[in-house]
Amino acid sequence: GQQVMQIPQYQHVQEGEDFTTYCNSSTTLSNIQWYKQRPGGHPVFLIQLVKSGEVKKQKRLTFQFGEAKKNSSLHITATQTTDVGTYFCAGGYQKVTFGTGTKLQVIP
Amino acid sequence: GAVVSQHPSWVICKSGTSVKIECRSLDFQATTMFWYRQFPKQSLMLMATSNEGSKATYEQGVEKDKFLINHASLTLSTLTVTSAHPEDSSFYICSAGGGRDEQFFGPGTRLTVL
Repeated sequence: GQQVMQIPQYQHVQEGEDFTTYCNSSTTLSNIQWYKQRPGGHPVFLIQLVKSGEVKKQKRLTFQFGEAKKNSSLHITATQTTDVGTYFCAGGYQKVTFGTGTKLQVIP
Repeated sequence: GAVVSQHPSWVICKSGTSVKIECRSLDFQATTMFWYRQFPKQSLMLMATSNEGSKATYEQGVEKDKFLINHASLTLSTLTVTSAHPEDSSFYICSAGGGRDEQFFGPGTRLTVL
């Protein structure tokens, strides 16, 4: 079946440093979604990318969908303590396959 | 965005008992809802697709007789964990919405089986 892996599994950064998580799928994705889950919370939708090579920005967050639609990345510029959480990529409409997640810890 | 609620938010039960978890779409109708399970420090794994008015579709490896799903109305899906055991302790999350847009997740239910 489809597998969606993310690296790194964990990342500790100093506040103000940049952070990137990479998402790789074993199969071509129709779309890619990104979610953020705070400790003890539920996943919160961040964004969806659909087109090959698409890049979208949300303030300090930059999302990219690979040309082959098998990989994606999320980059956070100048991290803040509020960025703490686990970031999941996910593929598919409705029936979503989640990536393994990257847990981000920001050190003040 | 749309709101999905879950009840209860946490539950502790004895081994062998059954637990029912409700998932409601509060401001929209959902013909399809999804149930996920998340073990500590792991990702979300889709358990089943709940279809209003018909049988749920279970993912491979998920026991349909153990995890009973009922989608009684366009705003309510229930997941019943029957004869729960400690290994069933997990975070159960439902979602609804989608189509070509985002999924809206409930706040989750933390189940602890003693």
